[in-house]
Amino acid sequence: AQKITQTQPGMFVQEKEAVTLDCTYDTSDQSYGLFWYKQPSSGEMIFLIYQGSYDEQNATEGRYSLNFQKARKSANLVISASQLGDSAMYFCAMRGGLNTGANSKLTFGKGITLSVRP
Amino acid sequence: GAVVSQHPSRVICKSGTSVKIECRSLDFQATTMFWYRQFPKQSLMLMATSNEGSKATYEQGVEKDKFLINHASLTLSTLTVTSAHPEDSSFYICSARDILKRGGSGETQYFGPGTRLLVL
Repeated sequence: AQKITQTQPGMFVQEKEAVTLDCTYDTSDQSYGLFWYKQPSSGEMIFLIYQGSYDEQNATEGRYSLNFQKARKSANLVISASQLGDSAMYFCAMRGGLNTGANSKLTFGKGITLSVRP
Repeated sequence: GAVVSQHPSRVICKSGTSVKIECRSLDFQATTMFWYRQFPKQSLMLMATSNEGSKATYEQGVEKDKFLINHASLTLSTLTVTSAHPEDSSFYICSARDILKRGGSGETQYFGPGTRLLVL
């Protein structure tokens, strides 16, 4: 079984500063994928970044980077130069090796609320 | 690219009526779409996997006769909440994967904007 753990109840960051959102996972699969999604108050789920378990380098997408520590089973999201529009709920998710192909289910964490202060 | 739409965005209905929610992939084809339910301040709960041309696969505890799923084409899946009751009030959101992309980030699910259902 796969499990995603996001324990930070809520995070606050000053505008223009960097912030790290924690995510740990548990899986017995050798091959898996990790995703981060952003959900603003409007409700839409916005894909941010992907990290494959065999990727040697940490993924980066603009202001988003993923601090992937495989041995520790952690996949923390780093947002640099925070903006007011970054205030949202952030979900970490995993796709396991056994669920590839047509039925690629995602397992989601509980999410973290990020508030950016002006 | 990778845009998913949902309709309606918001619906209010009377108890006992049925509500249909549409999920469309606008610029890609999807043999598989996923339907989730989300309560306020909580995570997404997968309800079912919708497969084009075949029956949906429901998660444990989800009533398939209550939540009817039809995936009639490579770009459209519908979720019908039959005989809706107030406890069915929730945020329903669908996602889809691009049929042409395989492995790695190709497994990314793209989400629709969601549908807020309120049953009175």
